[in-house]
This record gives sequence, C-alpha cells and structure tokens, in this order.
Amino acid sequence: DVKVTQSSRYLVKRTGEKVFLECVQDMDHENMFWYRQDPGLGLRLIYFSYDVKMKEKGDIPEGYSVSREKKERFSLILESASTNQTSMYLCASSLGDRAGELFFGEGSRLTVL
Amino acid sequence: GEDVEQSLFLSVREGDSSVINCTYTDSSSTYLYWYKQEPGAGLQLLTYIFSNMDMKQDQRLTVLLNKKDKHLSLRIADTQTGDSAIYFCAEIFSGGYNKLIFGAGTRLAVHP
Repeated sequence: DVKVTQSSRYLVKRTGEKVFLECVQDMDHENMFWYRQDPGLGLRLIYFSYDVKMKEKGDIPEGYSVSREKKERFSLILESASTNQTSMYLCASSLGDRAGELFFGEGSRLTVL
Repeated sequence: GEDVEQSLFLSVREGDSSVINCTYTDSSSTYLYWYKQEPGAGLQLLTYIFSNMDMKQDQRLTVLLNKKDKHLSLRIADTQTGDSAIYFCAEIFSGGYNKLIFGAGTRLAVHP
C-alpha cells in the first residue's frame, strides 16, 4: 500500500526552538510538498520540490526552510518557532507528470507555546 | 490571481443528496479536483475532472463543471454518515510550475 509518513503526529515546542518535520514517501514520487492547514484558510503551500536537492518557494515560505537530500525524504524546518506557526502541517507527494494527484500524510499538529 | 472559493459548511440529512459548490479563477486550469479529509487524517483524492468535460460520474459522486462561469460542483447521492468530512476543491495553477490551489474546504455534516 502506498504511503506518505510524517514522523510526528503531535509536537509541542517553545518559542524560539528549532523544529524539524520529517516526511518520507515510498512511491518513488518526484514531487513533494509541504502545506499548512488552518481553519477557514484551507491549505496553503509552504515549499515544494520537483527533484532531489531542488526546492521552490510556495505561497507562504517566510519562517520556513526545507531540505531534500534523498528522493524519498522531504524535511520542513522552522529555524526559530513562533506562536503564529502553530498549525497542522501536511506533507504530500505526486508523480512528476501528475502534479494534481497528491498523496498526503496524516499530518503533524504543531503547537508553539 | 489564483483563488478558489467554497462555502465553509453544509448540513444534510442522511439519505439526501449533498451538493458542494466551488468557484475558481484560473480559466486555463486543465484539471479540477475534489479531495476529502476525514477527521484526524490527511487528504485523499476523491475525483477529478478534465477541463474539456462537463460532467463526470463515479458511483455516488457526480462532478459538474461550468467552464464559462468557472463553477465546479460535487454531488453526493444518498449521503451517509461516513461521508461526514471536509471536502476541498482544487485547481491546477498553470503559471510557472504546476501547483494545486486549494479552497478553504466545506465541512459536510450528515445527521439522521
């Protein structure tokens, strides 16, 4: 069964801490994405990657960075967490020529105190 | 700019039909999508429609596309309690890299 796995379902961090959110897919997908989901705002794209070591900014990249050293793994980094980064973070992947057919992980709910 | 709009909440009685509506802005979108998010889970692709189609039917699901008005709808026949979820409309934005633009999601509540 195809799978996108996010390392942590729930995290609680303090303001200023560095936070790593890990995502691994086992489908050999070229494309990987990080979204954040907030009530009433839907999903907003933070960063995406179409290949190893490649990254592109999404709509709300400020305060975030990403790393894709291997095809199956895409990490989201919050260098210095702030309370307005409290949210649900969703990782997704897709085949190279099927950018709209996303497979999502179950999400990581981050609370920053 | 790119924008997808949908109403935030819909309540229906079990056994009735549900219709979830969506409007989008990018007239060059080649595909439009419906995703479903059950409580505590990530999103899963429900169905999609190619922009040169008016309608697509898949079991209890019917997707209608009015390209002139940039209006997309999802009809769920014989709605069941298991259909309670958030439904997201999404379009492919063709400016630069292809990326999905999601609406805010419609929360469907099914009551007996």
